[in-house]
Amino acid sequence: IVLPQSPGTLSVSPGARVTLSCRASQATNSRSIAWYQQKPGQAPRLLIHGASTRATGIPDRFSGSGSGTDFTLTIDRLEPEDVAVYYCQQYGNSPMYSFGQGTKLEIK
Amino acid sequence: QMQLQESGPGLVEPSETLALTCNVSGGSISTSYYYWAWVRQPPGKGLEWIGSIFYRGSTYNNPSLASRVTMSVDTSTNQFSLRLTSVTAADTAVYYCARDRSDGYNSEGLNLWGRGTMVIVSS
Repeated sequence: IVLPQSPGTLSVSPGARVTLSCRASQATNSRSIAWYQQKPGQAPRLLIHGASTRATGIPDRFSGSGSGTDFTLTIDRLEPEDVAVYYCQQYGNSPMYSFGQGTKLEIK
Repeated sequence: QMQLQESGPGLVEPSETLALTCNVSGGSISTSYYYWAWVRQPPGKGLEWIGSIFYRGSTYNNPSLASRVTMSVDTSTNQFSLRLTSVTAADTAVYYCARDRSDGYNSEGLNLWGRGTMVIVSS
């Protein structure tokens, strides 16, 4: 499965709502979709699994949705600390874990 | 609170074997709730899953690397390890260990990560 993400880079003002897209090359079970945040110089952090379930400790500004081939990560009330690369991930095909190429989020 | 910490040489010569260990602290590696994973990230690039191992030794690997990868678990030291043979410059990357909440059928993601260790392949 290929997981192209769009856009490649996004520049947004603080306080705005951001929508990141991940489109699978074939229909996939939504339970297999996760999203990660990787801040500069840090390890990735799990944000969302099962397409829409927030991981432990993740603020409710982050939400996930989608089904079939189209999945979305939404960040409400953007904060400067949200500057990061965001990756979607699919589980269950070959390889078991596949990652998208990432969307880089910048703050204006 | 569980933590993961990678360790190993930062420099490996081409054609040699890369060997890394992940120390698990704050909890037991011998749990049926998790697999234990390796993920790498070449400089400036995205994430690539290498493979995952259960504490009893069962594994599943990325087919693109499987012929060169060996993973193992040492429950007595609460560590798991990665060996990657015949390395080339293309294997230069930050290597992460991670806690894998999957069971081979469903996954709740890689929900805890080490800080990562940079490995450079060069003579």
